[in-house]
Amino acid sequence: GNSVTQMEGPVTLSEEAFLTINCTYTATGYPSLFWYVQYPGEGLQLLLKATKADDKGSNKGFEATYRKETTSFHLEKGSVQVSDSAVYFCALSPGNTPLVFGKGTRLSVIA
Amino acid sequence: NAGVTQTPKFQVLKTGQSMTLQCAQDMNHEYMSWYRQDPGMGLRLIHYSVGAGITDQGEVPNGYNVSRSTTEDFPLRLLSAAPSQTSVYFCASSYNDRVQGTQYFGPGTRLLVL
Repeated sequence: GNSVTQMEGPVTLSEEAFLTINCTYTATGYPSLFWYVQYPGEGLQLLLKATKADDKGSNKGFEATYRKETTSFHLEKGSVQVSDSAVYFCALSPGNTPLVFGKGTRLSVIA
Repeated sequence: NAGVTQTPKFQVLKTGQSMTLQCAQDMNHEYMSWYRQDPGMGLRLIHYSVGAGITDQGEVPNGYNVSRSTTEDFPLRLLSAAPSQTSVYFCASSYNDRVQGTQYFGPGTRLLVL
């Protein structure tokens, strides 16, 4: 079946540190991959996406590359800010079937 | 555009009570869905709809009913609330099921069942 595994948190970083949140997936076919972010007290919002192998999604300084050979879609940011503190969800869309989410990784950035 | 709206923001129920969580979107999206979010469990799909008059079950549908009589509205009904249904509920929509990976989420309803 389709599934997403992401690193367990919480992740605590100092401001300006480098961020990596690992995400691997299992899927049939060629899914699209997504990162969603949930700020405290809010719903999820789409952060970035990639629809085919080797695509790089990017937004707000975050990047993730769709790696078919390693079935991964790791989220990275070169220099995190306190405002990046949130829960990050990796997700995949196998096509015309419902989106599948990982369990989420909580990031806390301290000044 | 208001986007996806949910009411109420917070609700306390007693075991056995019923209630309806409201969800509406003004983006003319065909695809709508309901998730519950529990600590350590991520988001789990309860029900979804690919258009007015069409609904289907997700991963955790037991204890919940949905209907989709209009494109805009997708209410979630709890038939007889149980403490296990204490959760945060999110409604989401997308243009259609072919691009349903790009979803717009409401702000959530926090439900406590005593």
